[in-house]
Amino acid sequence: QQQVKQSPQSLIVQKGGISIINCAYENTAFDYFPWYQQFPGKGPALLIAIRPDVSEKKEGRFTISFNKSAKQFSLHIMDSQPGDSATYFCAASPKPYSGAGSYQLTFGKGTKLSVIP
Amino acid sequence: DGGITQSPKYLFRKEGQNVTLSCEQNLNHDAMYWYRQDPGQGLRLIYYSQIVNDFQKGDIAEGYSVSREKKESFPLTVTSAQKNPTAFYLCASSINTRNTEAFFGQGTRLTVV
Repeated sequence: QQQVKQSPQSLIVQKGGISIINCAYENTAFDYFPWYQQFPGKGPALLIAIRPDVSEKKEGRFTISFNKSAKQFSLHIMDSQPGDSATYFCAASPKPYSGAGSYQLTFGKGTKLSVIP
Repeated sequence: DGGITQSPKYLFRKEGQNVTLSCEQNLNHDAMYWYRQDPGQGLRLIYYSQIVNDFQKGDIAEGYSVSREKKESFPLTVTSAQKNPTAFYLCASSINTRNTEAFFGQGTRLTVV
């Protein structure tokens, strides 16, 4: 059973536009929600992360929006650039000692973003 | 520079052979992880280790084995029992399993020929 559902699978955005990637989760014990960026042939790199005590976190052109009641979170990339073209993964992990079993990250299936000039 | 080093970057294996993928970290992290990545499948956890001489199965451990004899090293062996071993393998580490901010290596692409 997939615990983190990510959409869309692929996304094409014009340079300067806004890229939006959405994730939904089921496990209410999740309390850490990172986004990873992966370029072809490379390992994923942590981009930005949020915990449920805030509804939004911004770092430069990247913003996470978090809706605890809907169990959804999203990544917004403002002023998208061709260099942002990559695969983006959302992930989630539960609070330690929450009884949720494994504390490891559960990943979405990824979104391939292409930013065209 | 601190980081995670995976080797080799590319690996070819004949069917029926075991092969070992290397992962070394100098971040002084207690926890280490192995993930498998297939197109359109995201990252799936194979094994993880919370501390030296301890490791636990992840979601897809069948056909794989690991060891953790040193804090810095967490090698993964893909055995002949793994039915579909061709994939991109990623090693990661975090301070411990209570802090899941994970840092990844550059991956090893394994191809069975």
